[in-house]
Amino acid sequence: DTGVSQNPRHKITKRGQNVTFRCDPISEHNRLYWYRQTLGQGPEFLTYFQNEAQLEKSRLLSDRFSAERPKGSFSTLEIQRTEQGDSAMYLCASSFTGYGYTFGSGTRLTVV
Amino acid sequence: AQSVTQLDSHVSVSEGTPVLLRCNYSSSYSPSLFWYVQHPNKGLQLLLKYTSAATLVKGINGFEAEFKKSETSFHLTKPSAHMSDAAEYFCVVSDNQGAQKLVFGQGTRLTINP
Repeated sequence: DTGVSQNPRHKITKRGQNVTFRCDPISEHNRLYWYRQTLGQGPEFLTYFQNEAQLEKSRLLSDRFSAERPKGSFSTLEIQRTEQGDSAMYLCASSFTGYGYTFGSGTRLTVV
Repeated sequence: AQSVTQLDSHVSVSEGTPVLLRCNYSSSYSPSLFWYVQHPNKGLQLLLKYTSAATLVKGINGFEAEFKKSETSFHLTKPSAHMSDAAEYFCVVSDNQGAQKLVFGQGTRLTINP
């Protein structure tokens, strides 16, 4: 499978717990994006990396959120002290210099 | 700043009849425009994209869209709906600057009646 892989597919966590999601992009893609999609809405941009550098973050990304892309390969998105409002689908996408986005299937987070 | 407005949150058509999903956009730059489809529990799939070449863009599965700059519209059409077309459709704009991030509309749910 040469697509974008996201793990886990589903995550249920208690409010206040920390969670971490992983995204494995297409190997030759130098850009990696995180989006968040809440129920009934279109995805919204959270952040993006060019290689290992995080170049832009949305105002949606509060201090409880952190993303990394060590060595420009896979990426992780961590949410600390989760809140019910964090419940959403977290989508990862990769591209080569902004062309030809490929999205993963997403990680659905439910905070109870 | 860019934005996208999908004019219908839900469209219902009968199998074999035409499909029209409407989208208006706003962009400060010469935009790239896309339509994505999302089936339940599946990832986003690109249907078609406009990048300042031909204004009539043909995509996969018989879909096409026409870029009309004067109307700031990018409506999606298909001559004959199929049951497998039932899904959520997103109109998307990108500014072709910097991060080239995508700005999504709120989506249109397409229902196909047998």
